[in-house]
Amino acid sequence: DAGVIQSPRHEVTEMGQEVTLRCKPISGHDYLFWYRQTMMRGLELLIYFNNNVPIDDSGMPEDRFSAKMPNASFSTLKIQPSEPRDSAVYFCASSEDRGYYNSPLHFGNGTRLTVT
Amino acid sequence: GNSVTQMEGPVTLSEEAFLTINCTYTATGYPSLFWYVQYPGEGLQLLLKATKADDKGSNKGFEATYRKETTSFHLEKGSVQVSDSAVYFCPRGNKLTFGTGTQLKVEL
Repeated sequence: DAGVIQSPRHEVTEMGQEVTLRCKPISGHDYLFWYRQTMMRGLELLIYFNNNVPIDDSGMPEDRFSAKMPNASFSTLKIQPSEPRDSAVYFCASSEDRGYYNSPLHFGNGTRLTVT
Repeated sequence: GNSVTQMEGPVTLSEEAFLTINCTYTATGYPSLFWYVQYPGEGLQLLLKATKADDKGSNKGFEATYRKETTSFHLEKGSVQVSDSAVYFCPRGNKLTFGTGTQLKVEL
């Protein structure tokens, strides 16, 4: 089991550029979550999917953020255009299809995004 | 709705000291409760869990008991080590919000 795989590990970009973060969940996990972590706000849930369908995107900060899950083994989080305040560590997590509430989350190692 | 309140940090202890990090919850029914740990530069990982009242979760010397009477799930360790320095999270409620966690620093 390779765990949740995120890429890239680090991303440095200039304000206004498009950024795409990628995630491969653990095989067989039907729930996928995107989180953002900052010192001030901690770890915030942005969006989660069940069986590739977005269920709750109320945490997505604004229209510049979008997430997709075209199949069970891949998801992307896109920021367009990026702004310095988007600088944070973005985590992807997945869990088994027993109802995420009672299932532990498995996290990737995150993507550290710096927007200059 | 369900919610969890976690003691804010940071917490600084000397090696071999006793650790308690408080976590209380309000819930309808009896949800599973979790503690996660985040080491520097890594993602969160499950530390322990308890699925029903009076259950005790344990791992790596850490323990937490799901106490219905006090609605608590406090994390404890009898003797902390420098390697336990990390951020500890007790996720909140149905939406699994994690907040800022409790940062633990263990010094020699």
